[in-house]
Amino acid sequence: QSVLTQPPSASGTPGQRVTISCSGSSSNIGSNTVNWYQQFPGTAPRLLIYTNNQRPSGVPDRFSGSKSGTSASLAISGLQSDDEADYYCAAWDDTLNVFMFGGGTKLTVL
Amino acid sequence: QVQLVQSGAEVKKPGASVKVSCKAAGYTFTSYYMHWVRQAPGQGLEWMGTINPSGGSTSYSQNFQGRVTMTRDTSTNTVYMDLSRLRFDDTAVYYCARDQGDYIGDYWGQGTLVTVSS
Repeated sequence: QSVLTQPPSASGTPGQRVTISCSGSSSNIGSNTVNWYQQFPGTAPRLLIYTNNQRPSGVPDRFSGSKSGTSASLAISGLQSDDEADYYCAAWDDTLNVFMFGGGTKLTVL
Repeated sequence: QVQLVQSGAEVKKPGASVKVSCKAAGYTFTSYYMHWVRQAPGQGLEWMGTINPSGGSTSYSQNFQGRVTMTRDTSTNTVYMDLSRLRFDDTAVYYCARDQGDYIGDYWGQGTLVTVSS
C-alpha cells in the first residue's frame, strides 16, 4: 500500500475535464514538490508535470497540476481518447528517505 | 538527443543475481543522477535507489538494502543495477530514469523485463 493515495480509477467523456487526486502527508507532499507521470501499457512512464505545476516541453496545456498542503491534483481538460492511460503522482518522503509513487490511477475515456 | 538504452530481458532462478545496464547518450553523463524504478506485472511504480555518476555515491530504498548495488562506468557512460538473492516477486520491468536536479524522470530507459522462475 502506497503512502501517496490515489483513486484506482477515473473516467470521463471526450471534451470533459477530469481531476485525479493524490493525498500524502507532511513528510512527503507537505514538504516536497510533486511530479506526475503518464504511462501507456507496455511503455515507460513519461513525465507530465514537475515541481507541482510545471509542464515539460511537449506536454499540452490541457494538463495542469496543483498542490495544497498535503494533497495534489492533476487536471486534464478537453479530454481526448488518447489520454487513456495510467497516471502516477510522486514525491520525496523525508521520513522514509525514499522517492514515493502513488498507487496509480487508470483513466478511462468513455 | 538524450537516450537511455537498457540491456535485454533476463530470466533468472530464485536465489540468483541479475545485473541490468543503462547506457546514456546525448548529455554529460556525470552531471545528472540516475534512478532505478521497477514495476511488477499489473502493479505500480516502485523506487529502488539512485546513483551519482560523478562520484559513484548511492542511496537505496530500505526495501532493497543489502540486495541492490548500483554502480557506474564513466568510460562507457553506463550505470548498472545489480539485484541479488532474487525472489519470485522480483519479477518486474526495471527502468532507469534520469534526475534533472529538481525532479526525476525527464528521460527514461525503455525498461528491462526480469523474470524470476524456477
